[in-house]
Amino acid sequence: GESVGLHLPTLSVQEGDNSIINCAYSNSASDYFIWYKQESGKGPQFIIDIRSNMDKRQGQRVTVLLNKTVKHLSLQIAATQPGDSAVYFCAENIGAGTALIFGKGTTLSVSS
Amino acid sequence: DTAVSQTPKYLVTQMGNDKSIKCEQNLGHDTMYWYKQDSKKFLKIMFSYNNKELIINETVPNRFSPKSPDKAHLNLHINSLELGDSAVYFCASSPPVTVSFRNTQYFGPGTRLTVL
Repeated sequence: GESVGLHLPTLSVQEGDNSIINCAYSNSASDYFIWYKQESGKGPQFIIDIRSNMDKRQGQRVTVLLNKTVKHLSLQIAATQPGDSAVYFCAENIGAGTALIFGKGTTLSVSS
Repeated sequence: DTAVSQTPKYLVTQMGNDKSIKCEQNLGHDTMYWYKQDSKKFLKIMFSYNNKELIINETVPNRFSPKSPDKAHLNLHINSLELGDSAVYFCASSPPVTVSFRNTQYFGPGTRLTVL
């Protein structure tokens, strides 16, 4: 079936660098996308979301970009910190109350 | 003041046993979910309840039976546990569709189930 996937299973960066985590989705009916952060031993934590009628959304140190033409989603983290080390998942959704479809996750490692 | 809580956090049991995992949310949400995360960190939906009614039931063995006594609770009962059931199980909840277009789901801390 259709699913959301991430391009790279791991990403290693230096503290202070900007990080970009990519995700490709295949369901053109998806109209809502979320990025989650999962630290070791914890549940996924909401970072930022974007609706399909937007191309870009900014939060604190994070930006999500959506390219519907190529069905691509990215998460940019500015000035990456050691505390950003975690597994990052993108998820797509086709409607409120329905399940999120998760990608496989990218493990971000930040070294000092 | 945990938003979505699960008990127990760890569960170690023998094959063939029956076990339950409990989930509670105090966010006032009306939809709750169970997800399974395998050893490769892949998260997949199992069930979803809206106002105590089952709305999503993915291809899950009927040994798994969710129960929602009220809209703040969604428990997961597993019969005749098998080795392949070992995983981390996450409960999540989302707000009413009348409140938010966005289906933002908030996750509990997870229950790590190990079947020996």
